[in-house]
Amino acid sequence: EPEVTQTPSHQVTQMGQEVILRCVPISNHLYFYWYRQILGQKVEFLVSFYNNEISEKSEIFDDQFSVERPDGSNFTLKIRSTKLEDSAMYFCASISGGVTDTQYFGPGTRLTVL
Amino acid sequence: DAKTTQPPSMDCAEGRAANLPCNHSTISGNEYVYWYRQIHSQGPQYIIHGLKNNETNEMASLIITEDRKSSTLILPHATLRDTAVYYCIVRVMSGGSNYKLTFGKGTLLTVNP
Repeated sequence: EPEVTQTPSHQVTQMGQEVILRCVPISNHLYFYWYRQILGQKVEFLVSFYNNEISEKSEIFDDQFSVERPDGSNFTLKIRSTKLEDSAMYFCASISGGVTDTQYFGPGTRLTVL
Repeated sequence: DAKTTQPPSMDCAEGRAANLPCNHSTISGNEYVYWYRQIHSQGPQYIIHGLKNNETNEMASLIITEDRKSSTLILPHATLRDTAVYYCIVRVMSGGSNYKLTFGKGTLLTVNP
């Protein structure tokens, strides 16, 4: 069964450093998402992406964040200057595009900012 | 999207049916009910969704009341691997298929041996 993959599974970085989290959505999917989950808290929507542009973003997704689909398979989330509060699990999701379509999530990347 | 209310936790014996309730009293006519689960900080996993009729798939059954104000997710024979946080989410089906999911706190289901 096709699945969303994410790399790395765990990223440790120093505060102020840039990180890039990578996702490979399911191959025929058209819509892509990033969510995050701070330890012990809810899963929160960050951004949705379609046709090479952001379709919606949350208040969390400020200028420090950016997304990109650099080629036909990868979907990345960049955090330019990480803060301690960016420590969280980051989940990528994708859907193919049907009206009742369901979002399929990747296993997540655990980001730890020291 | 309509707000949902779920009990924070439930227990179930292994091999028995687990019935997880969800209240969505403000649901509107064009909102679907979705269920996801999250096993120990893994990515949320889709389980099932429905609009009006009861639905069943290989994982679970979804029972939606006639007035659509509540629903129950049924895991017919719970196993230890079904221990997870279960999320009930309602979302509008309109426009294209580009939508965000709004997760609540969900119900922590613990399946006991």
